[in-house]
Amino acid sequence: RKEVEQDPGPFNVPEGATVAFNCTYSNSASQSFFWYRQDCRKEPKLLMSVYSSGNEDGRFTAQLNRASQYISLLIRDSKLSDSATYLCVVPGGFQKLVFGTGTRLLVSP
Amino acid sequence: SAVISQKPSRDICQRGTSLTIQCQVDSQVTMMFWYRQQPGQSLTLIATANQGSEATYESGFVIDKFPISRPNLTFSTLTVSNMSPEDSSIYLCSVRDREGSNQPQHFGDGTRLSIL
Repeated sequence: RKEVEQDPGPFNVPEGATVAFNCTYSNSASQSFFWYRQDCRKEPKLLMSVYSSGNEDGRFTAQLNRASQYISLLIRDSKLSDSATYLCVVPGGFQKLVFGTGTRLLVSP
Repeated sequence: SAVISQKPSRDICQRGTSLTIQCQVDSQVTMMFWYRQQPGQSLTLIATANQGSEATYESGFVIDKFPISRPNLTFSTLTVSNMSPEDSSIYLCSVRDREGSNQPQHFGDGTRLSIL
């Protein structure tokens, strides 16, 4: 299994839809997880950190399933501005982060 | 979070030349990280730069090709040496706001490098 694996998408959804992405990871000892958002030709920006079973911030909910080693990101009431690539990130070896290949989301009017 | 400035923001270079990218942070940090993001790909860690010691390189990256300096706790440089078209990428530096391997990293704006 790859260290971090994501469905590359793209996910095409209409405005107002709810969309969920999954990410699987191989290191069962990982304690923290992150979702980053990357807009086209921009740097990645931290969206959410997940340290326990999950985290919620407005329209965004991240859930962690340690038994199955996956993390999900749920976006409710999608906005046009949510269109971006969402990167799942897991701590790797000493002090490093491992980035997934990203899931591309396109929200259309 | 820390403010990270990278220079240059972009450059177009001839093959065989070298380019040094600078990364300045507005606070002191122990570790600075250098990543590469090739077109259509995710981020790959090149090396971790610690002040006062040699950088730690990831598999597939070597010091001769990507020499790194870390003269103090707020600054680092990455040099891309003897460039070829395959080095065309975005190069990003990042830091953690707080120490600890379970803390997220924050990124500079990146340097977009194209090699002719």
